[in-house]
Amino acid sequence: EVQLVQSGAEVKKPGESLKISCKCSGYSFTNYWIGWVRQVPGKGLEWLGIFYPSDSDARYSPSFQGQVTMSADRSITTAYLQWSSLKASDTAMYYCARMGSAGDSWGQGTLVTVSS
Amino acid sequence: EIVMTQSPATLSVSPGERATLSCRASQSITSSLAWYQQRPGQAPRLLIYGASIRATGIPARFSGSGSGTEFTLTISSLQSEDFALYYCHHYNNWPYTFGQGTKLEI
Repeated sequence: EVQLVQSGAEVKKPGESLKISCKCSGYSFTNYWIGWVRQVPGKGLEWLGIFYPSDSDARYSPSFQGQVTMSADRSITTAYLQWSSLKASDTAMYYCARMGSAGDSWGQGTLVTVSS
Repeated sequence: EIVMTQSPATLSVSPGERATLSCRASQSITSSLAWYQQRPGQAPRLLIYGASIRATGIPARFSGSGSGTEFTLTISSLQSEDFALYYCHHYNNWPYTFGQGTKLEI
């Protein structure tokens, strides 16, 4: 069974750094892109980027280029999304998704709250 | 960047009725179109990919059609659990984009 399990909710202050994770199991981790999606409370879905664990190819949406960094650790089949300096506007739910037939499996989401 | 436009924003229907949701792309995306359902407090769930292929475990009452720039998601006989948000998503080329969503309500 394909499973993507994300790390727990985070509460951070503006300017702090953060790395959230997406543990993938039940399939060949290096054969699929991983997508990251943001959902601001009460709003729609937005693509942050996609990442290919096999060769670390990373593609960012123009709106998020330079704002976040995607990575992965193949040895533990885990993908990451990180920020070096959070802003209040980063407050949102973040989802990872396996990009097989489109986004065919999703994590449960990680709620990130940034508040002073 | 390809803009995906969904209509209507909100669709009010009754259980047992048919619902038709639309999605338009600002340029051709061939058949690289997916539909997702999102219930409150849950992650999105893939319903349709390749514009018309049902994902694993999706009931036959969900069907997708279209190609190029015009796409439709049809739910043939609405069940109570179908009242949710629906998003289209193109994956023809990067950057991918979502439509703004259609809320299906009673």
